[in-house]
Amino acid sequence: DAKTTQPPSMDCAEGRAANLPCNHSTISGNEYVYWYRQIHSQGPQYIIHGLKNNETNEMASLIITEDRKSSTLILPHATLRDTAVYYCIVRVFTLMEYGNKLVFGAGTILRVKS
Amino acid sequence: DVKVTQSSRYLVKRTGEKVFLECVQDMDHENMFWYRQDPGLGLRLIYFSYDVKMKEKGDIPEGYSVSREKKERFSLILESASTNQTSMYLCASSVGTRNTEAFFGQGTRLTVV
Repeated sequence: DAKTTQPPSMDCAEGRAANLPCNHSTISGNEYVYWYRQIHSQGPQYIIHGLKNNETNEMASLIITEDRKSSTLILPHATLRDTAVYYCIVRVFTLMEYGNKLVFGAGTILRVKS
Repeated sequence: DVKVTQSSRYLVKRTGEKVFLECVQDMDHENMFWYRQDPGLGLRLIYFSYDVKMKEKGDIPEGYSVSREKKERFSLILESASTNQTSMYLCASSVGTRNTEAFFGQGTRLTVV
């Protein structure tokens, strides 16, 4: 299983871009990179995922390096409500078509400050 | 919106009790998961299921069992609760294809005394 490495915590000023890095140097060719976040006392929430191209949605952008060994989640204009633990996950697939599972690391605590 | 509902938000049980944690999803998802979350350890997968009556062990299955008799319901069972099973338990579900998101419930905070 590919593992991920994230910094334990980061601070960001409100209104600025938050750039959260993730290393996944052992990722294999058919594994996707997923990002989730968990706001205090809630279940994790899906943010975005990608394979090798950069992705953008209404919440964030995901930049994956060409060698796929690292990625960066970008929250373009961070707000206080973005304060959460952010998890970078490489999707692990079982041998079966279905039943793929998520394996969470420790994540990064992002603190957005006014 | 997808809804994953866990039966209890907070639960207190005694050591040795049999404990059932229930999870229901309303989107006809094939996959369902049980995680526990502890400070400093993050989320750890206990069991997952990819179809009715099918189950796979996760990373920490010891002391737990699961049941999936209907597609929408996935139960986590602590056969004999112990204090080291005090934790936040999170249920999730996802469609049974490769690159889809998982939806989580709000969690059950279980305290075993």
